[in-house]
Amino acid sequence: DQQVKQNSPSLSVQEGRISILNCDYTNSMFDYFLWYKKYPAEGPTFLISISSIKDKNEDGRFTVFLNKSAKHLSLHIVPSQPGDSAVYFCAARALNSGNTPLVFGKGTRLSVIA
Amino acid sequence: KAGVTQTPRYLIKTRGQQVTLSCSPISGHRSVSWYQQTPGQGLQFLFEYFSETQRNKGNFPGRFSGRQFSNSRSEMNVSTLELGDSALYLCASSLAGSRGLLSPLHFGNGTRLTVT
Repeated sequence: DQQVKQNSPSLSVQEGRISILNCDYTNSMFDYFLWYKKYPAEGPTFLISISSIKDKNEDGRFTVFLNKSAKHLSLHIVPSQPGDSAVYFCAARALNSGNTPLVFGKGTRLSVIA
Repeated sequence: KAGVTQTPRYLIKTRGQQVTLSCSPISGHRSVSWYQQTPGQGLQFLFEYFSETQRNKGNFPGRFSGRQFSNSRSEMNVSTLELGDSALYLCASSLAGSRGLLSPLHFGNGTRLTVT
């Protein structure tokens, strides 16, 4: 039972354009969401997070949107740069359930074409 | 501040053998989690340790075990290795307590285990 789903295994975007990565979740107890970025041969690196009391969080070129009613979140990267090419993982946690582990999606491979 | 350190980086073992992987968390981080990454499966949670106690456990067989030492360093062990255990094993540390819940996991670069 996959609680966090990233339905697009890959995405290609032109440099300078917007990249939109999507994530859906099934567990209504999830109330804290994170995005991680992973380059080959390295561990995932934290990018940005959002709590369920918000519907948007911005950090530079990265913005995460949360739609609780649809159990959907998305990561927008504007403008996309070649260095953004990596695998992006969506993750979620149920904070109000105590020390529950972070649950990850399977990842989306983003390729930014120069 | 040094990041999460995992050793070794690469390991090749034979079916039936056992293996021990090591993780040193970021200084001051008392929570250590382990994840398995296989192609197409994302990151699957193995277990989490805090203050030498296993706090959470994922859905893996008993062949997978771990422990945490008083200095927060952690090891995971896989016994009776199977071909399907070939994967990237990632260790992550985070702050503990109520701050820890909102604190992101910081990952090491992983140990790539190949079972032949």
